Amino acid sequence: KNQVEQSPQSLIILEGKNCTLQCNYTVSPFSNLRWYKQDTGRGPVSLTIMTFSENTKSNGRYTATLDADTKQSSLHITASQLSDSASYICVVSARAGGSYIPTFGRGTSLIVHP
Amino acid sequence: DTAVSQTPKYLVTQMGNDKSIKCEQNLGHDTMYWYKQDSKKFLKIMFSYNNKELIINETVPNRFSPKSPDKAHLNLHINSLELGDSAVYFCASSQDQNSGRYTQYFGPGTRLTVL
Repeated sequence: KNQVEQSPQSLIILEGKNCTLQCNYTVSPFSNLRWYKQDTGRGPVSLTIMTFSENTKSNGRYTATLDADTKQSSLHITASQLSDSASYICVVSARAGGSYIPTFGRGTSLIVHP
Repeated sequence: DTAVSQTPKYLVTQMGNDKSIKCEQNLGHDTMYWYKQDSKKFLKIMFSYNNKELIINETVPNRFSPKSPDKAHLNLHINSLELGDSAVYFCASSQDQNSGRYTQYFGPGTRLTVL
């Protein structure tokens, strides 16, 4: 069964600090891995997408890494801002015929305090 | 100039009723999706349509029926609503599914509460 596990479940940090969120997956056959940011009451917004051959991808202060051998990914947030407070969701897609079936993690709830 | 819009934003209804949620995208995308986010915050794909054709249908009860009148719209009809249908439903769109590297753009969500 395809699964995506994220840790920690929640995280509180001070503004300006860095943090790293983790994602472990058992999805096969692997196609790509994405990180989304979901603000409360809003739809998810894509941050990064990585395929099997990519092991790092940056988007501003967000840097995602992928280790396809250990089936782990991380999202590193640098110099956090209050607006970074949100849920961060790891999504791993499997290729199924001509389609791509995503499996979502539960997300890590990040709170940035001033 | 909202990219993906959904109506209504909130929907409260009684068990057994039939309801619809509308979704429209103005991005010119070929593929549209419906997702369900339950109380534990898990998002799960329900349907995917590419150029008005169903390409993903993930073990969803047949009380749920998507309707795509054109490429820019994908509406979700739900018959005989049950308590367990209470959730937030998200519509999304992407350029296409063929490459697998598409970015999906999500709507704001519709919070459905079944009483």
